[in-house]
Formats: sequence, C-alpha cells, structure tokens
Amino acid sequence: NAGVTQTPKFRVLKTGQSMTLLCAQDMNHEYMYWYRQDPGMGLRLIHYSVGEGTTAKGEVPDGYNVSRLKKQNFLLGLESAAPSQTSVYFCASSNGLGENIQYFGAGTRLSVL
Amino acid sequence: GENVEQHPSTLSVQEGDSAVIKCTYSDSASNYFPWYKQELGKRPQLIIDIRSNVGEKKDQRIAVTLNKTAKHFSLHITETQPEDSAVYFCAASIAGDSSYKLIFGSGTRLLVRP
Repeated sequence: NAGVTQTPKFRVLKTGQSMTLLCAQDMNHEYMYWYRQDPGMGLRLIHYSVGEGTTAKGEVPDGYNVSRLKKQNFLLGLESAAPSQTSVYFCASSNGLGENIQYFGAGTRLSVL
Repeated sequence: GENVEQHPSTLSVQEGDSAVIKCTYSDSASNYFPWYKQELGKRPQLIIDIRSNVGEKKDQRIAVTLNKTAKHFSLHITETQPEDSAVYFCAASIAGDSSYKLIFGSGTRLLVRP
C-alpha cells in the first residue's frame, strides 16, 4: 500500500514548455486534490476532483488543467509554463467520509526558468 | 469563500515549554478543522483534528481548542521537544460540502531550541 505517489519528484522547465504531473493513489479514494505550496503562502488549491471523470476549479486554477480519467489517477497539466508557476506541487486524496482526512503525496518541486 | 488566517508565522520556544498557534476562519458554516505538520522537505501529515460540535480535543502532548462564536481555533503543544520543530498548518472545511475542500492557513514555522 503505497498511499499517494507523485511523479516526477523534480523537474526544471523553460518558459513556454509543457508538462504533466501524475498523482496516483491506491486507497480507492473518491476525492483528489492538487495544491501548490509557495513560501509564506501555505497550501493553495489548484483543482480538485470528487470522482472519476469529474474536475473542478480551486483557488488558483489559471494556467493549469487537470484530468481524472481513472479513479486512481489525477493528472495536472501545465500547457505553457511560466516562471510564476515555480513551486512545490502536492497531490492529496481522501475518501470523503465524515471528516475529510487528506493524505498527501511527497510533492513535486518544479522550477520554470 | 472561506478564508483562514494563521498566527504567528514563526515561533521559537525552549525545549520543554509550551507552544500555541492560533487560526481564525471566516465562514461560519465551516465545521471541520484539521492541523497538519510538515517537516522540512516532507509531505504534510495530519496530527489532530476537531469538529465543530466539540470544544477541545487532546492527543498526548497536543490539543486543539475551538471557539465557534469567535470563529477561531488553536493548537497547543506542551512539553515541546526538538522533533516538534516543523511547519504547522491549520485548515477549515465544510464537511458535507460535496467537494470536502480544505482551506489552509499560511503556516507557522515552529523551532524548538534544545
């Protein structure tokens, strides 16, 4: 039982390049979330999904797209990376039952030059 | 929408002393308040949580208190140890909201001096 796995762990992009971050969970959770973490700003929700085939915008969705084609996977895409997207990205999942205990992946550190 | 403010941003205490971190929230409908601990370079991990029908919850050296009227909640760590050094995040959620979104505070960096 690996929990929540994020790939890659590190990535450096040039401005304008695209990439996809993968989040995979093996806990059969319905809910999945993408956050970005910047110094002094805590965790901000980018997009989330309440089930396979669904996605919704969070607090800071601009410049990102997501897809949830399979229940266990939640993909975060950057179509044209900008330096402002330099951040640490965390994926989380929860079963949505009662309290919303979210389990986090180890994070992806992304630098956009 | 919900907004969560967290204070202080940094906190330095002597080993063995207590530490208190405070958060306020704006949406009176919020009813679930977790606290996450994030060690340097690691993922956030839940350490304790509280629902709005409870005023206080304890788990060994950590406790959380909630004042619904004032819309604030606090994390208390007693007998601090160097391994308590980390960044702590509070969050608020509306359990029953179909998204179960968490809105996080900006974090408190706690340093426990040996």
